[in-house]
Amino acid sequence: RKEVEQDPGPFNVPEGATVAFNCTYSNSASQSFFWYRQDCRKEPKLLMSVYSSGNEDGRFTAQLNRASQYISLLIRDSKLSDSATYLCVVRGFQKLVFGTGTRLLVSP
Amino acid sequence: DTAVSQTPKYLVTQMGNDKSIKCEQNLGHDTMYWYKQDSKKFLKIMFSYNNKELIINETVPNRFSPKSPDKAHLNLHINSLELGDSAVYFCASSHRGTSKNTGELFFGEGSRLTVL
Repeated sequence: RKEVEQDPGPFNVPEGATVAFNCTYSNSASQSFFWYRQDCRKEPKLLMSVYSSGNEDGRFTAQLNRASQYISLLIRDSKLSDSATYLCVVRGFQKLVFGTGTRLLVSP
Repeated sequence: DTAVSQTPKYLVTQMGNDKSIKCEQNLGHDTMYWYKQDSKKFLKIMFSYNNKELIINETVPNRFSPKSPDKAHLNLHINSLELGDSAVYFCASSHRGTSKNTGELFFGEGSRLTVL
């Protein structure tokens, strides 16, 4: 089983839609969780951290369920510029482990 | 100014050759990494250095040899290149563990290696 698993997508949504991505992780001792964004042929960049109580940053909401070892990212009012691959990231021992990413395509 | 810069951006070479990728960061970070992203977009850590000391060495063929002359530089040398080495190699840097929630890696733009 992979350490971090995500649905690869792609998720095709129209502008203005709400879309949610899920991620599961295998190491129950993991302490820190993040979402990164990677545009086509670019480097990954931190989108947001994921806190136990859930957190929001503008149109983006991240949730953590430790019991189910599950992380989610909700994007409201999708913009064309949200089209990218979203990487779920979990802190393992001394390193960050990346999921394979979920591709989002927002169309006009 | 580029925070994490790596060169070259593109590298096309023949099987069996030896090549190097250089990385430099001007963020004052103490930890640097090499990640490999394959054709399926899976981003996997290869090496990590903290203050010039190797702290992570994943299961990587010993044809790959990292070198950190100082904490701002981490280079990657690859001997006897194979077809399967074709990938995008990302250098990254961070502050190590000032907070358990610290997760921000700053990546370079990547070096796309194609082995023919």
